[in-house]
Amino acid sequence: NAGVMQNPRHLVRRRGQEARLRCSPMKGHSHVYWYRQLPEEGLKFMVYLQKENIIDESGMPKERFSAEFPKEGPSILRIQQVVRGDSAAYFCASSHWGDHQNIQYFGAGTRLSVL
Amino acid sequence: AQTVTQSQPEMSVQEAETVTLSCTYDTSESDYYLFWYKQPPSRQMILVIRQEAYKQQNATENRFSVNFQKAAKSFSLKISDSQLGDAAMYFCAYGGGNTPLVFGKGTRLSVIA
Repeated sequence: NAGVMQNPRHLVRRRGQEARLRCSPMKGHSHVYWYRQLPEEGLKFMVYLQKENIIDESGMPKERFSAEFPKEGPSILRIQQVVRGDSAAYFCASSHWGDHQNIQYFGAGTRLSVL
Repeated sequence: AQTVTQSQPEMSVQEAETVTLSCTYDTSESDYYLFWYKQPPSRQMILVIRQEAYKQQNATENRFSVNFQKAAKSFSLKISDSQLGDAAMYFCAYGGGNTPLVFGKGTRLSVIA
């Protein structure tokens, strides 16, 4: 059973470009969470999705950031018009529907560097 | 809002010795879960141990154990017989059922040979 897959592992963008980060949850998992980690910081929650629904986006900036988890395919975190402050590691986690123990399995992360 | 505090930015331990990492949290909920995650230089987040708040018994996973004090809202991690491979960032996290996790800022653990 493959774990949570994130790609790319590293992404370099110039200011003003778009960044697309992909996350495939573990097989059978229907909950996806995105977190951001700034250097020397803990992970901060951004958005929580189930298939075709955004459940909680309270941690995601209102502008330039969006997320989706379509019926088919991976979850996508999209950052438009990136700025240097968006440079961070972005982690995706997944959990099983009905798993009230809230065990979240993490991907290896995508390190975004904005030049 | 829930908060998680790790008061030790850095800790070090001699190989084969025992070390305890501290974590406190704040919540008004009565049912929740607490976690310790390890992040080695590869940056992969690895679940070390999990505690269910309604269970009084402290969780144990091999050399890793916790001291869960619900009234004091304290959740410390004890690593026994420390090994070089234990060197990493350790994050304490709080979560409800199927809710986003709240993380502390982490403790960087060094293991001295």
